[in-house]
Amino acid sequence: AQSVTQLGSHVSVSEGALVLLRCNYSSSVPPYLFWYVQYPNQGLQLLLKYTTGATLVKGINGFEAEFKKSETSFHLTKPSAHMSDAAEYFCAVTPNNAGNMLTFGGGTRLMVKP
Amino acid sequence: DTAVSQTPKYLVTQMGNDKSIKCEQNLGHDTMYWYKQDSKKFLKIMFSYNNKELIINETVPNRFSPKSPDKAHLNLHINSLELGDSAVYFCASSQFKSTEAFFGQGTRLTVV
Repeated sequence: AQSVTQLGSHVSVSEGALVLLRCNYSSSVPPYLFWYVQYPNQGLQLLLKYTTGATLVKGINGFEAEFKKSETSFHLTKPSAHMSDAAEYFCAVTPNNAGNMLTFGGGTRLMVKP
Repeated sequence: DTAVSQTPKYLVTQMGNDKSIKCEQNLGHDTMYWYKQDSKKFLKIMFSYNNKELIINETVPNRFSPKSPDKAHLNLHINSLELGDSAVYFCASSQFKSTEAFFGQGTRLTVV
């Protein structure tokens, strides 16, 4: 069984500041890990994913995340927040042998202050 | 062209009614999904379906049933709607065991 915990349901940063959204997972088998973004009244858009190989993955819009197996974490970062980054962010996991049925974390709403 | 499209976008209906939400994907994927997002934004898988297998999340009431007329469509039928069914329902698709799922825009269902 898999589970995902996102620490902080709301995160507020100033424009230009570092964005750090935390995600910890549990999985009985090696996981595939994902970050999705949801803008208001929109569907989910894939930001980035980790499957195998390099543990630091880069995604769209300047976001990146690092898979740390020892910490069972997959935190999302962006060096400099932009107003357009304000959205809901979801971390998700799927076992690498089970298709693509995603288990999501509870989401983190990112607010960006001018 | 929208990759995964759902209709309707909004659906308001009374308790006890039966309703359907349609989903179509033009990506050539062989696997489709339905997810439910509740009022607290929590997302949960309901079904996974390809032409070989239907996987049902055991917590989903049997009032919910997916129906797939062909590989490009996975419709969600809901019988005897209840207030607690109010949520946003997302359809998604992927190639079986690929690493990326594409989501539709969601259908906001309100049961009154």
